[in-house]
Amino acid sequence: EPEVTQTPSHQVTQMGQEVILRCVPISNHLYFYWYRQILGQKVEFLVSFYNNEISEKSEIFDDQFSVERPDGSNFTLKIRSTKLEDSAMYFCASSEAGQGPEAFFGQGTRLTVV
Amino acid sequence: QKEVEQDPGPLSVPEGAIVSLNCTYSNSAFQYFMWYRQYSRKGPELLMYTYSSGNKEDGRFTAQVDKSSKYISLFIRDSQPSDSATYLCAIRPGANNLFFGTGTRLTVIP
Repeated sequence: EPEVTQTPSHQVTQMGQEVILRCVPISNHLYFYWYRQILGQKVEFLVSFYNNEISEKSEIFDDQFSVERPDGSNFTLKIRSTKLEDSAMYFCASSEAGQGPEAFFGQGTRLTVV
Repeated sequence: QKEVEQDPGPLSVPEGAIVSLNCTYSNSAFQYFMWYRQYSRKGPELLMYTYSSGNKEDGRFTAQVDKSSKYISLFIRDSQPSDSATYLCAIRPGANNLFFGTGTRLTVIP
């Protein structure tokens, strides 16, 4: 069964450092998303990406965040200068079509900023 | 105003019980309503979705939407210990994002 894969599963970084979280969406999917979940809180939308550009972003997704699809398979989230409050689970998701509700999530990357 | 609200529980039931999980939402324009299941330290897994009002059944699971009261429900019949997880309701306000509830943590006791 096709699945969204994320690497690494756990990333520890020092405050102020840049991190790149990687995702391989399901191969025939066209819409890609990043969500985050701070421990004990709800899953929050960060950004959606279609046709090589951001289609929507939340107010959380400020200038320190960026996304990229560097090749035909990977989808990355970069955090330029990490803060303690960026510590969270980051989930990548993909869907075949933007209008349908079936977004499939990866297992997540746990980011710990120290 | 929160887009979707969900009682975080926790909820504990004996095996075989019927479980009722509920959410309310704020905007009557929402059309897609989803239920995700999330095991500890895993990603959300889509269980079911409904479009507009009505019921949808899949095995032991029934999703229900009442648009007049802006209320969505998930019923689990004959609950099993393997159903123990956090259940997240979500609504899709547009094409590109999901708003999640806080999740209800369910434990089914053997």
